[in-house]
Amino acid sequence: GENVEQHPSTLSVQEGDSAVIKCTYSDSASNYFPWYKQELGKRPQLIIDIRSNVGEKKDQRIAVTLNKTAKHFSLHITETQPEDSAVYFCAASKSSASKIIFGSGTRLSIRP
Amino acid sequence: NAGVTQTPKFQVLKTGQSMTLQCAQDMNHNSMYWYRQDPGMGLRLIYYSASEGTTDKGEVPNGYNVSRLNKREFSLRLESAAPSQTSVYFCAVDRDNNSPLHFGNGTRLTVT
Repeated sequence: GENVEQHPSTLSVQEGDSAVIKCTYSDSASNYFPWYKQELGKRPQLIIDIRSNVGEKKDQRIAVTLNKTAKHFSLHITETQPEDSAVYFCAASKSSASKIIFGSGTRLSIRP
Repeated sequence: NAGVTQTPKFQVLKTGQSMTLQCAQDMNHNSMYWYRQDPGMGLRLIYYSASEGTTDKGEVPNGYNVSRLNKREFSLRLESAAPSQTSVYFCAVDRDNNSPLHFGNGTRLTVT
C-alpha cells in the first residue's frame, strides 16, 4: 500500500523567511497530493493541492511542486507570518482507490 | 449547514468499555473516513466507506468496527476499549476520489 514520508518533523524559521516541507510517496499510481494545515486544537484544513498532470501550483504565498519521477512533492511558504505557525500534513491518493494516506506532519514555528 | 458533525467531543472510558463515535454530514458526499491522530504519528486511516453500503479497512483497523448507516452517517465502534486507543478521532468526507477532505471537529477519547 501507499506510504508517505514527511520531513522535517519540526521547523523553525524567522518571520519573513521561507519554509520548505518535503514529502515522498511510494505508490507510483498516486496522482493527487493535497496539503493540510492544522492549527492548535482545530481540525485539519486544505490549503493547496496538486494533481499529477501538473508540476507546480501557486496560491499567493504558498506553492507546491511535484516530481513524479522521484516520487516527491514539496510545500513552499514564502514571506512567512506568525499565523503560518501550525502543523502541516502532506497526503497522497490515487483515483482508483478512496484511501488517502497522510504523512506524519511538520510543526512549523515562526520566530518574531 | 454544519458540514461534518462529530459526537461526542470528549469521552473518557475505562479499559474494556465499549462506545460508538458518531459522524454525520450534510454535504451529500459519497466517501467518508475515520482517522486517528496521535502525537508524532500524523493522521492514520482506520476505516473508510467509498459509498453507502461499503466499508474497507485502512492502515490501523484492529480494535474497531464501522457502520455506514446511510449516505449521511458513518459510525466508529470500539467494542472493548484499550489505553492504546487513547487518541483524537477525526471523521472526514470527500465528494469522490482525488477531491479535498472536509474534517469534523474531532473527538478526544481517553481510555484509562
